[in-house]
Formats: sequence, structure tokens, C-alpha cells
Amino acid sequence: AQSVSQHNHHVILSEAASLELGCNYSYGGTVNLFWYVQYPGQHLQLLLKYFSGDPLVKGIKGFEAEFIKSKFSFNLRKPSVQWSDTAEYFCAVKVRSGGGADGLTFGKGTHLIIQP
Amino acid sequence: DVKVTQSSRYLVKRTGEKVFLECVQDMDHENMFWYRQDPGLGLRLIYFSYDVKMKEKGDIPEGYSVSREKKERFSLILESASTNQTSMYLCASRGAGASSYEQYFGPGTRLTVT
Repeated sequence: AQSVSQHNHHVILSEAASLELGCNYSYGGTVNLFWYVQYPGQHLQLLLKYFSGDPLVKGIKGFEAEFIKSKFSFNLRKPSVQWSDTAEYFCAVKVRSGGGADGLTFGKGTHLIIQP
Repeated sequence: DVKVTQSSRYLVKRTGEKVFLECVQDMDHENMFWYRQDPGLGLRLIYFSYDVKMKEKGDIPEGYSVSREKKERFSLILESASTNQTSMYLCASRGAGASSYEQYFGPGTRLTVT
């Protein structure tokens, strides 16, 4: 079965610092990749997704992620974080095995705290 | 906008009780999912359904069952609640087809079993 690894469980940054959150997955075939965010007290929201094409994808709120197939990675980046980016971030993978409704495989999450 | 609603935000139940968690989506999605979210463990898939009356086990189905009698509604059932089922439960839905792998999540139900 596929697995998703997020390298950092807790990250603390100051405002305006640059952010990179690591995500690696274990499946060797075709995948769809996602980053979800959960702000305090709110439900999970999609930040960005990769299905095919340009490996650099842009999402909401200035976030972007790069799919590097050779490294099985999908790292999330933001050049300058804001206090409002404090949240939990989840990387997720959907194996493209020919259809079906099976769910996403999630990483364990990274808790990001931005200090003013 | 897709809307996924869950019947309760907070629920407290006693050990051994039968617990029903309800989820409703308003976008006519074929696929619905139940996850549990625990600190340090991320989200883990309990059950999913790809059509009315159809269900499949996810990664951690033990102690749970599900029901999907109508397309818009997917229920998670704890037959006999135990303290290790204290968790945040998230429902999600998505449409059919390869272009629809994005899942839309409800607000979650925080269940405490005492």
C-alpha cells in the first residue's frame, strides 16, 4: 500500500520567512497529489492539486508546490508567510489505479505556527 | 459551492453505546468517505461508498459500519463505542471520474467516548 511521509511535524517561523514543507510518497505509478490546509477551528480545505502537465502548480493564498517524479516528492512552498498561515497542512496522494472510489492517503500533517 | 454537513460538531457518548454520525452532501456526488483524524496520525480512511447501498472498507474499518440508503447521505455507525474511538470524524465527498479526485470535507464531529 502507498504511504505519504511529511518530514516535519511542527514548524515555527517568523512572518515574512520563506516556507517549504516536505512531502514524499511511496507509490511508483501514476498519482494525483494534493495539499490540504486546516485552519484553527475550520474544516479541511484544498490548497492545491497536481493531476498532470506542468509539475509546478499554484494554489490559493500564494502557495505553490512542485512535483518531482524522480524524487517521489511534492513539496509545498510559499516565499513569504503571514501570521494567518498558522494551520495544519496535510499532503495527500490518490493512486491512479484505474478508477474506483477509494480514498486519499494522507500524511500525518505538519503543524505550522507563524510568529508575528 | 459544494457543501458537506455533519449532524453534530461535538458528541459525548458512554462506552458500549451505539453511535450514529450523519453526513449529507448537496452536490449529487457519487462517492462519500469517512475518515478519523488523530493528532500525529493524520487522517485515516474508515469506509467509503461509491454508490447507494455500496460500501468498501478503508484502512481502519474495525469497530465501525456504514450505511448509504440515499445518494446524499452517508452514515457512520459505532456499534458499541469504546474509548479508543474518541477522535475527530471527518466526512468527505467527491464526484465521479478521474477529473474529480478532489475531495470536499465537512466540518468534522469531535466524538468523546467516556
